[in-house]
Amino acid sequence: AQSVTQPDIHITVSEGASLELRCNYSYGATPYLFWYVQSPGQGLQLLLKYFSGDTLVQGIKGFEAEFKRSQSSFNLRKPSVHWSDAAEYFCAVGETGNQFYFGTGTSLTVIP
Amino acid sequence: EAGVTQSPTHLIKTRGQQATLRCSPISGHTSVYWYQQALGLGLQFLLWYDEGEERNRGNFPPRFSGRQFPNYSSELNVNALELEDSALYLCASTRTGGPSSYNEQFFGPGTRLTVL
Repeated sequence: AQSVTQPDIHITVSEGASLELRCNYSYGATPYLFWYVQSPGQGLQLLLKYFSGDTLVQGIKGFEAEFKRSQSSFNLRKPSVHWSDAAEYFCAVGETGNQFYFGTGTSLTVIP
Repeated sequence: EAGVTQSPTHLIKTRGQQATLRCSPISGHTSVYWYQQALGLGLQFLLWYDEGEERNRGNFPPRFSGRQFPNYSSELNVNALELEDSALYLCASTRTGGPSSYNEQFFGPGTRLTVL
């Protein structure tokens, strides 16, 4: 069965430091991959997506992610974190035909 | 373009009652998904509707049910409410897609259900 693993439940970084959030997936075919961000009490906003082509994808708010097929990973990165980036981050895998699977999320705290 | 809308924003019920949550997808989207987000449990997939039919459901008891209307809006009904049903219920929509399509989900702001 398809699955998405986000091994880090909670991460704390200092403002201005770099960030990497991990995501591993289990899927037989070529997946299409997403990262979403959720501010407290809000819905999910799409940060970026990978469908095909260049394995390094750029998203909104200065985020990027790299698809590594050999490692079944799609890690999210940001070179310099801002206090407003504090939120919950979800990785998701989509199947053709529109079934989606979400990770359990990583909570990001940013300290001044 | 209007986003996914959900109503009500908040809903307070007591144990044993029924709750009805509503979702309107983005115009042109025919698929609607429901997720439950209980505290500390991430997103749990509930139901998926497309073109008026239920395409898949998650591992939830039958007292969680729903439907999709001809205008593609959707209702989620939760019968015989239990305390553990307290959660944020999120609705998402996608464009129409065939078996080989690739689409992203757009989420609504959610309905916060509290069961007392």
